[in-house]
Amino acid sequence: GAGVSQSPSNKVTEKGKDVELRCDPISGHTALYWYRQSLGQGLEFLIYFQGNSAPDKSGLPSDRFSAERTGGSVSTLTIQRTQQEDSAVYLCASSLARTGKNFQYFGAGTRLSVL
Amino acid sequence: DQQVKQNSPSLSVQEGRISILNCDYTNSMFDYFLWYKKYPAEGPTFLISISSIKDKNEDGRFTVFLNKSAKHLSLHIVPSQPGDSAVYFCAASEGGNQFYFGTGTSLTVIP
Repeated sequence: GAGVSQSPSNKVTEKGKDVELRCDPISGHTALYWYRQSLGQGLEFLIYFQGNSAPDKSGLPSDRFSAERTGGSVSTLTIQRTQQEDSAVYLCASSLARTGKNFQYFGAGTRLSVL
Repeated sequence: DQQVKQNSPSLSVQEGRISILNCDYTNSMFDYFLWYKKYPAEGPTFLISISSIKDKNEDGRFTVFLNKSAKHLSLHIVPSQPGDSAVYFCAASEGGNQFYFGTGTSLTVIP
């Protein structure tokens, strides 16, 4: 389809393992966001990519979290040495505009469960 | 610290009546506000937005009202339909790249 695609849709992992979450944004969208939604919480901003500019990493909760965006398209969010508090739904979104006065298209998310 | 707050986790409304979802914010620098709708197992989808230069924006059955002095916005849905049953998130930005989301309100429209 033409929407934002995330994989896997569900991921169960053991504490201490590394995980990689993938996001395919809508073709042509220059902006890409990662959010996290923990149980009972709102969407927590993690990281933002805009074109070739340096990403805004101000929302990453610890140095165990990192993300990259290759070729201005696909993005991967990596969580190293996962902890139980990392369990959440991780949402990716993309948009066209360079400024904030636009809206985002979201993927369905990856539900991460850390046992 | 939550800069955008949705204090009602859930709301039930009869079909055909008005649904009013509320959102409060603390940052006076926010100048752009959005509402998203989320069905289970799907990502949020954009519903309606409003710039701080306006106090009302309408799109069909959906109207968003902004009260800057009270730092409050609301989403009115009228008439409510069963298909409107979903979780509604409000979001705000200072016009930059970072959006702040509320915790969501789960709306149930009873047929």
